[in-house]
Amino acid sequence: ETGVTQSPTHLIKTRGQQVTLRCSSQSGHNTVSWYQQALGQGPQFIFQYYREEENGRGNFPPRFSGLQFPNYSSELNVNALELDDSALYLCASSLDLYGYTFGSGTRLTVV
Amino acid sequence: EDQVTQSPEALRLQEGESSSLNCSYTVSGLRGLFWYRQDPGKGPEFLFTLYSAGEEKEKERLKATLTKKESFLHITAPKPEDSATYLCAVQAQGGSEKLVFGKGTKLTVNP
Repeated sequence: ETGVTQSPTHLIKTRGQQVTLRCSSQSGHNTVSWYQQALGQGPQFIFQYYREEENGRGNFPPRFSGLQFPNYSSELNVNALELDDSALYLCASSLDLYGYTFGSGTRLTVV
Repeated sequence: EDQVTQSPEALRLQEGESSSLNCSYTVSGLRGLFWYRQDPGKGPEFLFTLYSAGEEKEKERLKATLTKKESFLHITAPKPEDSATYLCAVQAQGGSEKLVFGKGTKLTVNP
């Protein structure tokens, strides 16, 4: 059984650029959630996809967008990057909204 | 609004010195309370889910308990490898399936 894999592991971008982060769900899982974790803080919910449909969104602006594909993998896109977007981005997958398994995250640095 | 407060923010123990971490929560109908362990630069690793007041779960040196307002993570005779940040999260009934996290307790166990 494979776990949740995220790519890339680290990324450096310039303010104003766009970034795409990727997540492969654990085998058999149909739900993907994305979280942002700033240094020294707990993860903050960005949004969730359940069977390719958005199923809830946190307090993040529209420049944070996402997709879930038929194989249940997912992308997080962030446009017009700001310095405050620097954080660890976590993907979590689950089966039918129960029992979330997290990936190791993508460390995004905006300079 | 659902809220989770963890205390203390940081805890330093000697190897073998037992202690407890606290998680106070406010939620509009609890679906589940989760404990995760997070090592630096890594994603959260699932420890326990508790669903109702009075429930207890154990795993090696860790024991989680739940009341209607708080949860405790008891660590018995800790070892240096138990050093990590411990995160508590709640999931509310109905609506979005997001997890609301506390800021975590950073535990350091000295040999």
